[in-house]
Amino acid sequence: DADVTQTPRNRITKTGKRIMLECSQTKGHDRMYWYRQDPGLGLRLIYYSFDVKDINKGEISDGYSVSRQAQAKFSLSLESAIPNQTALYFCATSAPVYNEQFFGPGTRLTVL
Amino acid sequence: DAKTTQPTSMDCAEGRAANLPCNHSTISGNEYVYWYRQIHSQGPQYIIHGLKNNETNEMASLIITEDRKSSTLILPHATLRDTAVYYCIVGGTSYGKLTFGQGTILTVHP
Repeated sequence: DADVTQTPRNRITKTGKRIMLECSQTKGHDRMYWYRQDPGLGLRLIYYSFDVKDINKGEISDGYSVSRQAQAKFSLSLESAIPNQTALYFCATSAPVYNEQFFGPGTRLTVL
Repeated sequence: DAKTTQPTSMDCAEGRAANLPCNHSTISGNEYVYWYRQIHSQGPQYIIHGLKNNETNEMASLIITEDRKSSTLILPHATLRDTAVYYCIVGGTSYGKLTFGQGTILTVHP
């Protein structure tokens, strides 16, 4: 079984809809991250969390919110989706000492 | 976090060693060098990291210069499945956030 899972893997939605992307991990890591990737661009950090009570904005947090429901679960929400949020979204966890990050398979989101 | 510079693309013949360079001249003393790769829209995969000593694992070797201003990732026997975008990232362990740049597109050809 994969250590970091994301649901859904693909999602098509309409402008203005609320959508939630979910991430679960079995690695036992405290740190979790949400990244976004656009075609031809590197990954950009949206939000990150160092433990259940800790939430931090990344470089592109506008239009997004997150919830850390438990150590193993970190959800990303788009309250009112817009077309320029069409992208590939990755969740990641990181190991406690050297910060190696382990990524999920990604969610491909299309906002029409 | 220190900025890194990598070539946009590189080619390598299957079975040969792939040597991917990275410059990080502004690296600070407590920052590590990390390498990741991403195979066609899959989630990025951690490869290796190091501080100042050379490192080797089952995937690759990492050579860091003595002044720590540059490093080279070595895939000793490249296969077609190693075709991917390779990211060199510099960062501290305590902060957690890693900044991904454009990376190097490595193409392994038969």
